[in-house]
Amino acid sequence: GAVVSQHPSRVICKSGTSVKIECRSLDFQATTMFWYRQFPKQSLMLMATSNEGSKATYEQGVEKDKFLINHASLTLSTLTVTSAHPEDSSFYICSITGYADTQYFGPGTRLTVL
Amino acid sequence: GDSVTQMEGPVTLSEEAFLTINCTYTATGYPSLFWYVQYPGEGLQLLLKATKADDKGSNKGFEATYRKETTSFHLEKGSVQVSDSAVYFCALLNAGGTSYGKLTFGQGTILTVHP
Repeated sequence: GAVVSQHPSRVICKSGTSVKIECRSLDFQATTMFWYRQFPKQSLMLMATSNEGSKATYEQGVEKDKFLINHASLTLSTLTVTSAHPEDSSFYICSITGYADTQYFGPGTRLTVL
Repeated sequence: GDSVTQMEGPVTLSEEAFLTINCTYTATGYPSLFWYVQYPGEGLQLLLKATKADDKGSNKGFEATYRKETTSFHLEKGSVQVSDSAVYFCALLNAGGTSYGKLTFGQGTILTVHP
């Protein structure tokens, strides 16, 4: 299957700063990547669909100006949490649709905003 | 819209016990069905999948059969190990229209296996 990496794995930042999370598809060219958010002991919530070379598609209720997504190449999508606040603390996971329509997930990024 | 319902957890078992985690779904068309597993502090890993009715997915001793008549995809394992302790997510992928590529997840079931 496809291999997906995320960087960083953990990040702690101060309230009001911006944080960038990278999602890389290491062995598959992904025209589409997905960004999820997961709260403790809860399921994954799809935030947005990242489209290579065009604007991301955000799910209802997700602020596009707060969660900036850039998908500049077939192997890299970035999620920037702007002006982060403690309520943005969460586990952020990306995925790609790889072979046979199977989604492959990155290991996740734990964001803690102080 | 599409939805997935999993049995509520947490589920606690002794090693070598039989495991069943129920999953039912509501969807239009012919979705593909998946079980993903999440170990503590990690992302999701594909455990098994089935793409059409009556298909059986299997991996690492886990099995699930795509039952269209009961809209179910229950996960089973005959003898669990401590290392199976994780959160299990049932999910469906409806490949049609604007939903292409979007997974719909169940709420997850926490499994704890004791020695």
